Amino acid sequence: SIVMTQTPKFLLVSAGDRVTITCKASQSVSNDVAWYQQKPGQSPKLLIYYASNRYTGVPDRFTGSGYGTDFTFTISTVQAEDLAVYFCQQDYSSPFTFGSGTKLEIK
Amino acid sequence: QVQLKQSGPGLVQPSQSLSITCTVSGFSLTSYGVHWVRQSPGKGLEWLGVIWRGGSTDYNAAFMSRLSITKDNSKSQVFFKMNSLQADDTAIYYCAKSPLTGTSAWFAYWGQGTLVTVSA
Repeated sequence: SIVMTQTPKFLLVSAGDRVTITCKASQSVSNDVAWYQQKPGQSPKLLIYYASNRYTGVPDRFTGSGYGTDFTFTISTVQAEDLAVYFCQQDYSSPFTFGSGTKLEIK
Repeated sequence: QVQLKQSGPGLVQPSQSLSITCTVSGFSLTSYGVHWVRQSPGKGLEWLGVIWRGGSTDYNAAFMSRLSITKDNSKSQVFFKMNSLQADDTAIYYCAKSPLTGTSAWFAYWGQGTLVTVSA
């Protein structure tokens, strides 16, 4: 199975800060990476697919980049409503695997 | 609009089986696959398996021996069954769907989740 190593596990930031989360795949996954946001008590919400494509209705402060084994997810200007856990996922090959998550808290 | 609604028990006895139904609307099961994912504090998000639009299935090898996914296209229902549950199968179970036909396995649509506790 492909392991998605996601860092950091926790971020404490202020509104207006820039946030970067990384995922490293244990082998190349091309650009087959998605990013999700999960708020407490909710199902995950798709933000980014194919590494850099913003899904319908997702604000442009959320961006993704990367190819091969190294991927980055950025929130350009964090807002209070971005309090959530963020996950990466590869769908390059089965079993489709997820990163362990990054919990974002706002000061 | 696309919806996936899950129904199933919240409590399962150890060694017993878990059955969850995912009833979909807004799309046809003959056009899209439906995946199953679970989430637990200890293991995070785990992809369990998928039933593709044509009815074939792919399972995570870690669960293959005790997992079955079937569907009834006419009723727009997908059926998830996992056997021999133990305490570490306690998790929230989700059905999920890609917005694309074909074999994409990233998920724009999720069910509401079924919290399953394995306990006597």
